[in-house]
Amino acid sequence: DTAVSQTPKYLVTQMGNDKSIKCEQNLGHDTMYWYKQDSKKFLKIMFSYNNKELIINETVPNRFSPKSPDKAHLNLHINSLELGDSAVYFCASSRRGADTQYFGPGTRLTVL
Amino acid sequence: AQTVTQSQPEMSVQEAETVTLSCTYDTSENNYYLFWYKQPPSRQMILVIRQEAYKQQNATENRFSVNFQKAAKSFSLKISDSQLGDTAMYFCAFMRLGRGSTLGRLYFGRGTQLTVWP
Repeated sequence: DTAVSQTPKYLVTQMGNDKSIKCEQNLGHDTMYWYKQDSKKFLKIMFSYNNKELIINETVPNRFSPKSPDKAHLNLHINSLELGDSAVYFCASSRRGADTQYFGPGTRLTVL
Repeated sequence: AQTVTQSQPEMSVQEAETVTLSCTYDTSENNYYLFWYKQPPSRQMILVIRQEAYKQQNATENRFSVNFQKAAKSFSLKISDSQLGDTAMYFCAFMRLGRGSTLGRLYFGRGTQLTVWP
């Protein structure tokens, strides 16, 4: 059973397009996160949600919008994609805000 | 702001040997967690070990153990009996506890690429 899953695993798209990445966790956790891993493998948090409420909203362009329909899902929608958005995006979840985070397999986004 | 420093961008070790990866961090907090995650070529981020700052005893998980020196703000990872499957990027990470808008935020180091060779 996959604990934290993301779809798609790979996403190749043109500049200017809008795309979404979906994340689901079946661990019963209350908190979910989005991280971005750049080309140098540096990981940085983007957002976190606790029970559908936005908790962390890091300084990211407002083209990025997270949506949490329920506490098991956290999707990431990106408008007007730019070349610099190319990265690996990781979803993670934890039992509560301050606890061990478990990561999904990542989505490699390539913007051409 | 919390910073995490991994001073060794790359390391290599022969199979069955022991290797230690270094990590230092900077914080004014007293209550926090420290983690090591590994990222093999498959890209998956896998939890290796967690250390609670209030515990004096060093955490251990099978072949993986840490040397946590709170006063020195040092958190190194020792891998014993290295295996080929340990080849991965290893990330040290810090999480403050308590309340506030940064609760739950993981601060990562830049990683150490470990290669285990036969």
